[in-house]
Amino acid sequence: GNSVTQMEGPVTLSEEAFLTINCTYTATGYPSLFWYVQYPGEGLQLLLKATKADDKGSNKGFEATYRKETTSFHLEKGSVQVSDSAVYFCALILGSGGTSYGKLTFGQGTILTVHP
Amino acid sequence: NAGVTQTPKFRVLKTGQSMTLLCAQDMNHEYMYWYRQDPGMGLRLIHYSVGEGTTAKGEVPDGYNVSRLKKQNFLLGLESAAPSQTSVYFCASGTPNTGELFFGEGSRLTVL
Repeated sequence: GNSVTQMEGPVTLSEEAFLTINCTYTATGYPSLFWYVQYPGEGLQLLLKATKADDKGSNKGFEATYRKETTSFHLEKGSVQVSDSAVYFCALILGSGGTSYGKLTFGQGTILTVHP
Repeated sequence: NAGVTQTPKFRVLKTGQSMTLLCAQDMNHEYMYWYRQDPGMGLRLIHYSVGEGTTAKGEVPDGYNVSRLKKQNFLLGLESAAPSQTSVYFCASGTPNTGELFFGEGSRLTVL
């Protein structure tokens, strides 16, 4: 079946540090890949996405590149801020033309805490 | 804009009691979903709906029922609550296959 594996957390960094959160996937076919973020007390919201191999998604200083050869979609940010403290979820979706029914498969989430 | 609204936000139940979680969206989305979030397990899909009057089982449907009588509403019911259903429940809506789902703020349910 399809699955997403994220690096174990929690991750604790100082402000302006470099961030990497690893994500690898297993899928039958060619998925689209996503990073969602959940700020304290809120629901998840889409951070970035990539729909085919070698695509780079980016938003709010975060980036992730779809690597088909390593089945990975690692999240990076060059300089984190306290406001980036949140839970980050990697996810995939398979299918097109309605066959996947929009069903996302999520990783277990990685808690990021950034200290001043 | 309201987006996706869930009610109630908190609830405590005793084992065997029943309850319904209500999800409402104002974005005219066809697709709606109920997920549960448990520590270390990410989000797991309980049930989903691809349009008014339709429902389908997700990954963990046992112990839950759903209804989509109106396009904007998706109800999640627990007929006989169990401690294993203690969780945070998220409703989401979206358009087919874009992968962009819009989530509510969550409903924290505790079953004693």
